[in-house]
Amino acid sequence: DAGVIQSPRHEVTEMGQEVTLRCKPISGHNSLFWYRQTMMRGLELLIYFNNNVPIDDSGMPEDRFSAKMPNASFSTLKIQPSEPRDSAVYFCASTLGGYTEAFFGQGTRLTVV
Amino acid sequence: SQQGEEDPQALSIQEGENATMNCSYKTSINNLQWYRQNSGRGLVHLILIRSNEREKHSGRLRVTLDTSKKSSSLLITASRAADTASYFCATMYSNYQLIWGAGTKLIIKP
Repeated sequence: DAGVIQSPRHEVTEMGQEVTLRCKPISGHNSLFWYRQTMMRGLELLIYFNNNVPIDDSGMPEDRFSAKMPNASFSTLKIQPSEPRDSAVYFCASTLGGYTEAFFGQGTRLTVV
Repeated sequence: SQQGEEDPQALSIQEGENATMNCSYKTSINNLQWYRQNSGRGLVHLILIRSNEREKHSGRLRVTLDTSKKSSSLLITASRAADTASYFCATMYSNYQLIWGAGTKLIIKP
């Protein structure tokens, strides 16, 4: 398996634009997590899905952020409109479910100017 | 807060020495996991230790868990330059959520 795949790896966008980040979890994994990492706040959980259903989105900063998981092999995190403070590295991770370890993608480095 | 806390925040040692990092947490866990993150990359899982386990080994890594003190330690023996990275502990609770610490930045000097 290729592991968790995220795209794009880097994204530079202007303030106010819509940004869509994509994630393909490991086949057979039934839990998917979106994280944001910054120097100031460390690793923050934004939302997690179990069997494609959002379980906890309390970490989503505000209504500008939305996430979907239309099927077991694909998820998106959308920011609309984007702001400079959204600049961060966004990670997607998946697990087999239950009390198991997480597998991370390489991340998307987002810069909003 | 359930968040794990690691110490030290940063550690710089000579190649060949052992490195020890600690993690503390506040409430009962199902398991505790250690991850490594190289600069600019995703996190990579190292070891998972369950709440009924006290010690686990993987190569040069040794993890201990003391549930009475709500703490864990990660020992890297005979460190190498390639071990330079940030190390994170994450605690997993009964609701399957992983709560992350702020990480320890380890630098191995050649």
